[in-house]
Order: sequence, then C-alpha cells, then structure tokens
Amino acid sequence: GEDVEQSLFLSVREGDSSVINCTYTDSSSTYLYWYKQEPGAGLQLLTYIFSNMDMKQDQRLTVLLNKKDKHLSLRIADTQTGDSAIYFCAESTPRNDMRFGAGTRLTVKP
Amino acid sequence: ETGVTQTPRHLVMGMTNKKSLKCEQHLGHNAMYWYKQSAKKPLELMFVYSLEERVENNSVPSRFSPECPNSSHLFLHLHTLQPEDSALYLCASSQDYKQAYEQYFGPGTRLTVT
Repeated sequence: GEDVEQSLFLSVREGDSSVINCTYTDSSSTYLYWYKQEPGAGLQLLTYIFSNMDMKQDQRLTVLLNKKDKHLSLRIADTQTGDSAIYFCAESTPRNDMRFGAGTRLTVKP
Repeated sequence: ETGVTQTPRHLVMGMTNKKSLKCEQHLGHNAMYWYKQSAKKPLELMFVYSLEERVENNSVPSRFSPECPNSSHLFLHLHTLQPEDSALYLCASSQDYKQAYEQYFGPGTRLTVT
C-alpha cells in the first residue's frame, strides 16, 4: 500500500509488555523509526533501526524488523503509566522522504 | 531556550483571517520542516527548507505560505483557511536535509478554523 499502517489503539495493564506493530511501504527504506508523542508535546525520537538489522534492543525497548514482510514492531517491556502516549512508526526512503503512520495510542491501565 | 519552539501553541481563526505560525530552532540546524497532523491520519510533510531555500513543496494549497528568513526561523503564513485545515501543525529541524532521520520536533500549534 501507499501508507505506513498502524493500528490506532492499544490498551495494556501496567507491568505487561506492549507490542506495537507497523507495516511500511518501501522495501528500499534505509531507516525505520519509532517516535513517541505525549499530550501537548511534539514527536520525540525513541529509537531507530537500520534496514540491514533485524533487531535492536535499548533498555525496555525492543525493535524487530522483518524486511521481507516490511513489518516493524516495537516492544515495551514492563509497561508503565508514563508510557501512555501516541507512538508513530516512520520510514525514510532513499529519496530522504520521511513517511509516518497515523500513530498508535497506547493506554496503560493501573 | 533549547530545542525547537513554536508559537502560538493554540490558535483559533476565522476563514477570512490572516495569521502566521512561528517556529524557532536553537540547535544550529540547517534544515527545517512543516508537518500537518490530523487526527487518525498519517503525518503529512508540507514544506522543507534547507539553508533557507525551499527544497520540497508537497502539493500544499496556496493558502499556506511558508517563509524561512534565516536558518533558525520558519514561518507558516495562513490566509482564507478552511475548516478542514484545523489540525496540529508541527515544525521540525535536522542538522542537514540529507540527515532527515534525525529530526527534532517542536510542540506544535493547535489550529482551529471556524
């Protein structure tokens, strides 16, 4: 498809793991990103992965990339209420275009 | 101030008004961007400036007019907007246009067109 696709909502209990999924559009995309947007704030780059990697771990965050299926996921271990936010998946193409998904609203329930 | 700042944070305007959004970056970056964020839709890139020259204009209606007087400041001039233009307008900057992946975003201006 033409759009970077993500499900719009995800709800988890505090302490559980969250997995946010994304499918992107361009198999030649060089970087894939996850951004976090808290209420009233701009987008904050959480992590990114080069297209020649299939996994990246950074503390509670694990990014998995399946290049064949153009599928990207973000796993947040031990999710906390402070993780409640909108998470955006994005890709950058060789043309240097940045393409964003519509965002997944993560709600963490106590 | 550090990072990317935007003013005003909230704006309500009528369809016949003229207003401007302002973005300022304190990071010494050379590229600046305007994005439109509408609910449940992908972020839309509107304009890109690199070293004060426009490098991208993604089919944005002429009622949106960008201005980049220097590498630290970016404006978006608005006139005769439509209700569907109501959205969050985000400004971002990166060191260079070729390093678009390292974009730093401002908090956005929430625009409501009545």
